[in-house]
Amino acid sequence: EVQLVESGGGLVQPGGSLRLSCAASGFTFSSYWMHWVRQAPGKGLVWVSRINSDGNSADYTDSVKGRFTISRDNAKNTLYLQMNSLRAEDTAVYYCARRESTALDYWGQGTLVTVSS
Amino acid sequence: SYELTQPPSVSVSPGQTASITCSGDKLGDKYTCWYQQKPGQSPVLVIYQDSKRPSGIPERFSGSNSGNTATLTISGTQAMDEADYYCQAWDSSTLYVFGGGTKVTVL
Repeated sequence: EVQLVESGGGLVQPGGSLRLSCAASGFTFSSYWMHWVRQAPGKGLVWVSRINSDGNSADYTDSVKGRFTISRDNAKNTLYLQMNSLRAEDTAVYYCARRESTALDYWGQGTLVTVSS
Repeated sequence: SYELTQPPSVSVSPGQTASITCSGDKLGDKYTCWYQQKPGQSPVLVIYQDSKRPSGIPERFSGSNSGNTATLTISGTQAMDEADYYCQAWDSSTLYVFGGGTKVTVL
């Protein structure tokens, strides 16, 4: 069974940092591109970032470029999102998701990040 | 930047057909998929590559994509189909874009 379990969310002050993790199991993690998607409270889904299967290529939505870094450790079957210079507008539930073909076929349960003083 | 537009809400009677549209410039040239999200839950993929259903998704869910509009159709809508639905498009230049979401209410 495919499982994606996010962790690392919490309350952080504006300008602070957090690192999210996504532990994957039930599939060959190193064969899949992985994504982060976020959802602000009461709002819609917003794509954040993606990383290729090898971990040597990544893309970001414009609003997080230069502040967020996606990475992965295929030996540990874990995806990461390092978030720096956090802003109030980064407050959201962050989901990791697996890419299959052109869609995101499995999603984690999400982890809540709250940026507030 | 590329944008996808969905109606905020759609209402449907049980057993009837619900159609949810997603509009974007030349959307028919891109691959589109659809996600269902129930309150407090993670999104679930219900349609990918315009019209394909993942295993486990009921046949009452179908999709199409042509011109500037993709459509998710729920035939014989059931109470359990009440949820938010999001379209998402992908192409090599757009990467990933989500529509704003449509709340489907089964009255």
